[in-house]
Amino acid sequence: QVQLVQSGAEVKEPGASVKVSCKASGYTFTSFGFIWVRQAPGQGLEWMGYISTSDDHIRYAQKFQGRVTMTTDTSTSTAYVELRSLRPDDTAVYYCARDERYIVDYWGQGTLVTVSS
Amino acid sequence: QTVVTQEPSLTVSPGGTVTLTCASSTGAVTSGYYPNWFQQKPGQAPRALIYSTSNRHSWTPARFSGSLLGGKAALTLSGVQPEDEAEYYCLLYNDSAWVFGGGTKLTVL
Repeated sequence: QVQLVQSGAEVKEPGASVKVSCKASGYTFTSFGFIWVRQAPGQGLEWMGYISTSDDHIRYAQKFQGRVTMTTDTSTSTAYVELRSLRPDDTAVYYCARDERYIVDYWGQGTLVTVSS
Repeated sequence: QTVVTQEPSLTVSPGGTVTLTCASSTGAVTSGYYPNWFQQKPGQAPRALIYSTSNRHSWTPARFSGSLLGGKAALTLSGVQPEDEAEYYCLLYNDSAWVFGGGTKLTVL
């Protein structure tokens, strides 16, 4: 069965960076891309960007341009998102989800990132 | 920057029918926006319900249906069950980017 398992919760100080992982199993990793989505406490879902696992296509939401990097490692079937220059308002649950041909289906369990001094 | 608008909250009686909508600030929503719908319950990750306007995933109950209605994407729940109480989000694709709606809190009362 398809599973996306994300890394554990993180606590970071303002100005630091965080890297969240999303390990996929149960399907051919290179057949589907990923989107990353975050959800601040009590707020809605926010799309951060998309990364293909089969070519070099990456697209970041304008809001995160210059501060985010999405990567994949096909040898371990893992997707990553790194966010730099963290601010307190980056405190959120970060989700990965599978996306291909405009179909978003399976989601990771979420990773809470807390930014606090 | 596209803004996607949903009803903030709706209430429906058990067994009833309710339609949630999803509008785009860029104009009428068409199939080319590839509307997706998700359900989220407190403390849980979102769960996919509908893709490409009206297609159910294999796990989506038949009481959930998607359509285009009056220039918006729509999610209709027929024969609502108590367990359908949740937040519902639409997701639209436009100008090479995805945008989520603000969510609709559905109360079953």
